[in-house]
Amino acid sequence: NAGVTQTPKFQVLKTGQSMTLQCAQDMNHNSMYWYRQDPGMGLRLIYYSASEGTTDKGEVPNGYNVSRLNKREFSLRLESAAPSQTSVYFCASSAARDGELFFGEGSRLTVL
Amino acid sequence: AQRVTQPEKLLSVFKGAPVELKCNYSYSGSPELFWYVQYSRQRLQLLLRHISRESIKGFTADLNKGETSFHLKKPFAQEEDSAMYYCARRYNNNDMRFGAGTRLTVKP
Repeated sequence: NAGVTQTPKFQVLKTGQSMTLQCAQDMNHNSMYWYRQDPGMGLRLIYYSASEGTTDKGEVPNGYNVSRLNKREFSLRLESAAPSQTSVYFCASSAARDGELFFGEGSRLTVL
Repeated sequence: AQRVTQPEKLLSVFKGAPVELKCNYSYSGSPELFWYVQYSRQRLQLLLRHISRESIKGFTADLNKGETSFHLKKPFAQEEDSAMYYCARRYNNNDMRFGAGTRLTVKP
């Protein structure tokens, strides 16, 4: 079972470039999430989608957009990357009932 | 503001010693609280949740509403417990927020 798959695993961008992080889950979960992980800051929620067709801002949404393409897929887009967006990004999914999150392996993004 | 606080960024103990990782939350209604763990080169995963009152890998966590705390405890730490630990809280609409994390090192 693949669980939560996110691509790419590594990416280097120049300031101002755009990119999309892709995430897919095969567990039929309703909720999906994007977090960023920074040293000393822990995991901070960027956006989440409680169910197909809905998205909500988290703690640090500025500079990001998301699309819940269908129940399986939830993408994160950086329209104009900034060095402050250098981070490790994690996608996660959850069956709403019990709240357990299942995480992807992470995507390391460097913005020069 | 919705907040989960883990006051210790780093915690180091010797093998066999007790360990307590602290977590405090901002009071609001009935909290749903979790501990997640990230071992080296592994995915972040659920360790335990308060609602099930379980013990996983010798760890327990008790919700103390008076102190708004959900500290993670283990009486005898093992080297394989070395990892990054995150306290998390679920809010309405399945919004899940994490603390800053505590890196636990268990020395031989």
